[in-house]
Amino acid sequence: QKEVEQDPGPLSVPEGAIVSLNCTYSNSAFQYFMWYRQYSRKGPELLMYTYSSGNKEDGRFTAQVDKSSKYISLFIRDSQPSDSATYLCAMSDFSGGYNKLIFGAGTRLAVHP
Amino acid sequence: DTAVSQTPKYLVTQMGNDKSIKCEQNLGHDTMYWYKQDSKKFLKIMFSYNNKELIINETVPNRFSPKSPDKAHLNLHINSLELGDSAVYFCASSQVNRGYQETQYFGPGTRLLVL
Repeated sequence: QKEVEQDPGPLSVPEGAIVSLNCTYSNSAFQYFMWYRQYSRKGPELLMYTYSSGNKEDGRFTAQVDKSSKYISLFIRDSQPSDSATYLCAMSDFSGGYNKLIFGAGTRLAVHP
Repeated sequence: DTAVSQTPKYLVTQMGNDKSIKCEQNLGHDTMYWYKQDSKKFLKIMFSYNNKELIINETVPNRFSPKSPDKAHLNLHINSLELGDSAVYFCASSQVNRGYQETQYFGPGTRLLVL
C-alpha cells in the first residue's frame, strides 16, 4: 500500500463546475499537507498548504484536512479552462528536521468551455 | 529570472551511456532536491542536499550520484543508463527552517529518454 493514495483520473468537468480532488494517506505522523498544480510539460507549483486539520481558503480554492480520517481534499469553485492541469497532493511529517515530501500520483483535471 | 533552472531540458541517449543533469537556483535557498517523475506522473524524491551535505538518500541505484559543488547548484550524474531510467527529473529548492514546512520550488524538468 502506498503511503499516499490519489485517484489519477482523468476528471473532465464543464466550465463553472465545482471540482473535488481527494487524497488518503496511511502515515498518521503527517502534519503538513500541500496541493501542487502541474501544467503540461512544466514543474509542479505550490497551490495550497495547510498544517494539521481544518480548512483553508484562497480565492476559488479550498483545502480541507481531516486527520481523523486521514483524508485531504481540494475544492475548486467556478472552475475555469485555465485550471486544466494535474493536481498533486503532498504531505510530510518533517521528521528529523528535514523537508521530505511524499506525493500522491496526481489527478489530471480537464475543464472544458 | 528563472528561480530554478535545469539543463538540458531534453536528453535522448542510448542504454549504457553516462549522462549528467545540472540544476541551479537563484533563490538563496540552502536545500536542494532531485525528484523522478515516471510516465504515470508519480513524483518521488531521490536525494536532498542541505548546505552541500547529503541529507536524504532514498533507495536509488548507486548508478545515480548527486553532487553539490555549492548551495546554489545540484547536479545528477547517471552511469550505465537503463531503459527504466526514462522519466522526467525535477530539481527543487527550499529554505529549511526547523519546525515548519517551507515551499519547495521546482525547476522545469529534464526529460530523459533512454533508447
